[in-house]
Amino acid sequence: KAGVTQTPRYLIKTRGQQVTLSCSPISGHRSVSWYQQTPGQGLQFLFEYFSETQRNKGNFPGRFSGRQFSNSRSEMNVSTLELGDSALYLCASSKPQGAQETQYFGPGTRLLVL
Amino acid sequence: AQSVTQLGSHVSVSEGALVLLRCNYSSSVPPYLFWYVQYPNQGLQLLLKYTSAATLVKGINGFEAEFKKSETSFHLTKPSAHMSDAAEYFCAVSDSRGNTPLVFGKGTRLSVIA
Repeated sequence: KAGVTQTPRYLIKTRGQQVTLSCSPISGHRSVSWYQQTPGQGLQFLFEYFSETQRNKGNFPGRFSGRQFSNSRSEMNVSTLELGDSALYLCASSKPQGAQETQYFGPGTRLLVL
Repeated sequence: AQSVTQLGSHVSVSEGALVLLRCNYSSSVPPYLFWYVQYPNQGLQLLLKYTSAATLVKGINGFEAEFKKSETSFHLTKPSAHMSDAAEYFCAVSDSRGNTPLVFGKGTRLSVIA
């Protein structure tokens, strides 16, 4: 069974630009979560989508947005990039089983903002 | 609000020695607890999870963790370290009521000395 895939794996952008990252969940998984990982702040939750609806949202500015498609694939977008947005962005998918959701992570997209 | 504290940002052990990575959590409701491992330039891989079924949880690669409610701890152990165990380890907590994001600790980098 294929795991969570994320594209692209590496990305370099300049301040002020926008970027879109993509995540394909494990087949059959309907929930997709996004996390930002930085050396200073560690792993922080961005948002979660389930059945094309945002179900949870972390404490990030509105420049960070996401969406989920009918096939459960998800994208996140960051507009007006800042240097501090440089991070590893991780996507995780899960197959809701009541309260016992286990999240499976992709390899991440490493974003560098210059 | 839930939180996780991992004691020791860096732990160094000799090959063949006991591995002990500490994790304490704070949660107002019965938690679900997880340990993930991250190898360089990779995403997070689930080692094990506690979902209230048994307090001693066995995971992959010879790791296990014990849930101690009285100490609010979920320490990760492995009897004998192997060079391939060198990685970053993250403890995470989620709300057992479900549909909530993972809250991660800051991580512990494990070095294994030959």
